[in-house]
Amino acid sequence: NAGVTQTPKFQVLKTGQSMTLQCAQDMNHEYMSWYRQDPGMGLRLIHYSVGAGITDQGEVPNGYNVSRSTTEDFPLRLLSAAPSQTSVYFCASSRTTGADAFFGPGTRLTVL
Amino acid sequence: LAKTTQPISMDSYEGQEVNITCSHNNIATNDYITWYQQFPSQGPRFIIQGYKTKVTNEVASLFIPADRKSSTLSLPRVSLSDTAVYYCLVGDMGDYKLSFGAGTTVTVRA
Repeated sequence: NAGVTQTPKFQVLKTGQSMTLQCAQDMNHEYMSWYRQDPGMGLRLIHYSVGAGITDQGEVPNGYNVSRSTTEDFPLRLLSAAPSQTSVYFCASSRTTGADAFFGPGTRLTVL
Repeated sequence: LAKTTQPISMDSYEGQEVNITCSHNNIATNDYITWYQQFPSQGPRFIIQGYKTKVTNEVASLFIPADRKSSTLSLPRVSLSDTAVYYCLVGDMGDYKLSFGAGTTVTVRA
């Protein structure tokens, strides 16, 4: 099993550009989520999904969109990048609520 | 989610035992206590989870007193590779929204 994979690992955008961060898991987990981590801080929940076709907002959803068309994939879209979105983005999945979550390696995003 | 308080940083030496205490005074009856470890430039990794008393696995032990208002993660005989940030999370097993604070940065020196 590859676990949770994320692409790209690094990305530089200009203000106003859009892009999609990819996340995939091969563990058949129902629950997937996106977090962002700013320097010296913990992770903050952006969006999460409890199954294919079902998504909901987390703590900091503004400026981001998600969709979940399959169990395996949970892409995160930045609609119009802003410097405040410069961060490291982590995708996670888990088998059930409250269970140990598996995190991907992260995408380091810089918005100029 | 119950708010947690843990030390910002701790220093240790190789071979010592490291104990990180997390306070969660407002823990609810249905809440579990979970600890994650994060190495630089990596995503967090689940270490251990418990509800009460003591839980032990191959990586760490988790001690939870009867009132459950605090918990202690114990890392036996640490090595340089245990240098990481350790997060204490408290939440209902039915709640998927993990809430990470700033964590405790543990630095192990030779």
